[in-house]
Amino acid sequence: NAGVTQTPKFQVLKTGQSMTLQCAQDMNHNSMYWYRQDPGMGLRLIYYSASEGTTDKGEVPNGYNVSRLNKREFSLRLESAAPSQTSVYFCASSSFATNEKLFFGSGTQLSVL
Amino acid sequence: EDQVTQSPEALRLQEGESSSLNCSYTVSGLRGLFWYRQDPGKGPEFLFTLYSAGEEKEKERLKATLTKKESFLHITAPKPEDSATYLCAVLDSGGYQKVTFGTGTKLQVIP
Repeated sequence: NAGVTQTPKFQVLKTGQSMTLQCAQDMNHNSMYWYRQDPGMGLRLIYYSASEGTTDKGEVPNGYNVSRLNKREFSLRLESAAPSQTSVYFCASSSFATNEKLFFGSGTQLSVL
Repeated sequence: EDQVTQSPEALRLQEGESSSLNCSYTVSGLRGLFWYRQDPGKGPEFLFTLYSAGEEKEKERLKATLTKKESFLHITAPKPEDSATYLCAVLDSGGYQKVTFGTGTKLQVIP
C-alpha cells in the first residue's frame, strides 16, 4: 500500500498563476483533508471532506478550492496564487475504523514569487 | 476556540538523558488527543491516541500520558534516531472532524 500520495513534491509559481495539488489514498478512508504548515503556526486545516461527495471549509479556506473527485482522490486548487500562500501543504486521510488518526502524505513545498 | 500549546519549542538532549514534552490543551469536549512524529521533509506520522484522563500509552522509548488539561510525552533513554519534531493535536467532540494542532517540540538527541 502506498498510503497517501501527493503530487507534486515541489512547485514554484508566480503571483496570479493557478495550480492544482493532487492527493490520492488507497486505504479506503472516508475522510480527507488539506492542511498547510507554516513556521510557528502549526498545521492549519484548509478544507476537508468527511465523505465522498461532501466538502467543507476549515480554518483558512480563503484563496483555495477543493474537489473530492471520488473516494480516493481529493484535490486542492489555487486559482490565483499569492505570496501568502507560500507554505508546505499536506494531504491527510482518516476513518472511523482507525479512530480518526490522520495518515499524511509527504507534502508539497510551494513557493509563490 | 480549541487551543493547543506545546513546550518547550526546542529541546536538546544527550543520548540516554530522559525528559518530557508538554502539551497543554483547551477544548470544549475532548474526543481524542494525538501525538505525531514529524521528520524533516516528511508528513507527520501517528504515534498515539489518548481518550480520557489517566490513560497511558507506550511505544519503545516513548510514553504518553493524559490529564484533563495536558498531556506529556516522556522519552526514556533517547537515541539519536528519536530526533524529530513531535506534534500534539486534539480532536473536538463538536459537529465536525476538527483537529487542532500545536506548533510542536523540536527534539535533538546528541550522541
